[in-house]
Amino acid sequence: GENVEQHPSTLSVQEGDSAVIKCTYSDSASNYFPWYKQELGKGPQLIIDIRSNVGEKKDQRIAVTLNKTAKHFSLHITETQPEDSAVYFCAATLNEKLTFGTGTRLTIIP
Amino acid sequence: GAVVSQHPSRVICKSGTSVKIECRSLDFQATTMFWYRQFPKQSLMLMATSNEGSKATYEQGVEKDKFLINHASLTLSTLTVTSAHPEDSSFYICSANPGTSGTYEQYFGPGTRLTVT
Repeated sequence: GENVEQHPSTLSVQEGDSAVIKCTYSDSASNYFPWYKQELGKGPQLIIDIRSNVGEKKDQRIAVTLNKTAKHFSLHITETQPEDSAVYFCAATLNEKLTFGTGTRLTIIP
Repeated sequence: GAVVSQHPSRVICKSGTSVKIECRSLDFQATTMFWYRQFPKQSLMLMATSNEGSKATYEQGVEKDKFLINHASLTLSTLTVTSAHPEDSSFYICSANPGTSGTYEQYFGPGTRLTVT
């Protein structure tokens, strides 16, 4: 099955700076890579996704890049704000099943 | 759009009793729903895949007789934890896939916190 690794496990950045979270996956057949934001006590919220036929996607302050050859993908958040503080999960989809990374606790320092 | 609800949000039950959790897609039909379990400060682990009108597919290590899943309609799936024990205490989260051909998005519910005493 698929295995997803995520780094770092915790990340603290100054408000206004950028944050980058990286993930690697093991199965080259995985074809859809969503990123989720989870706040304490809530369900994950889809914030951006990318398909295997695309190398980069951007939505306002959030962007995701995918390197299929190296089997890694990254989340980039620019101009961070206090409300960006949360746990972020990457995931890889194989046969419609999501395999999640271990999560990154992002803290934005005012 | 793509709103998924869960009920209840929190439940406390005594050891040995059963608990039912409902998952509903509010503004779309979901041919496939998924049930996850999340322990504190850990990632989400897929328990089972629920397809409308057919039996659920359980992940390895998940007891199908303990975690009963029923996907009775295109907008409702239920998870029943039977004979609950304290080690079943966890955050249970469902997700739903709109099922449009070629799409894989999963939209998550708000989760249900189960505490077994």
